Amino acid sequence: KAGVTQTPRYLIKTRGQQVTLSCSPISGHRSVSWYQQTPGQGLQFLFEYFSETQRNKGNFPGRFSGRQFSNSRSEMNVSTLELGDSALYLCASNRPAGTGELFFGEGSRLTVL
Amino acid sequence: GDSVTQMEGPVTLSEEAFLTINCTYTATGYPSLFWYVQYPGEGLQLLLKATKADDKGSNKGFEATYRKETTSFHLEKGSVQVSDSAVYFCALISGGSNYKLTFGKGTLLTVNP
Repeated sequence: KAGVTQTPRYLIKTRGQQVTLSCSPISGHRSVSWYQQTPGQGLQFLFEYFSETQRNKGNFPGRFSGRQFSNSRSEMNVSTLELGDSALYLCASNRPAGTGELFFGEGSRLTVL
Repeated sequence: GDSVTQMEGPVTLSEEAFLTINCTYTATGYPSLFWYVQYPGEGLQLLLKATKADDKGSNKGFEATYRKETTSFHLEKGSVQVSDSAVYFCALISGGSNYKLTFGKGTLLTVNP
């Protein structure tokens, strides 16, 4: 069974640009959540989608957005990039009626110059 | 709000040494507790979990017991191996959510041969 797949794995952008990251969950998983990992702040919840609807959002500015498609794949977008957005962005999927066990992808490492 | 506090690293041990990583939490209601592990260059994976007080989670020789009276979930292993070198995260889910994890800052463990 394929795991959670994130693309691209690495990318470099400059300040002011925007970026789109993609996540394909495990087959049959309909919930996808996103986390930002930085050395200073650790792992922070960005948002979660279920059946194409955002159910919850963390404490991030409106520059961070996401969406989910009918096949459960998800994308997140960051506009007007800032240096502080440099991070590892992790996507996780959650099986139906799950008990809190999230299955994480390997992440997309974003560097903003 | 919910929070997780775990011991600061890094922790360096010799092979076959005993490991303890302390974790305490603050949460409303009755959270589920987790330990996730992140190996170099990889995403997070669930190591073990406990969903109610006095439950003991165990996996790969690691154990942690859900202690409601001390709001703790300390991770232990009797004999660590070089392959256990990784970052360990304590986390919780509360409030009926099964997807929004609150993480501790992580503890880097290095095991030397």
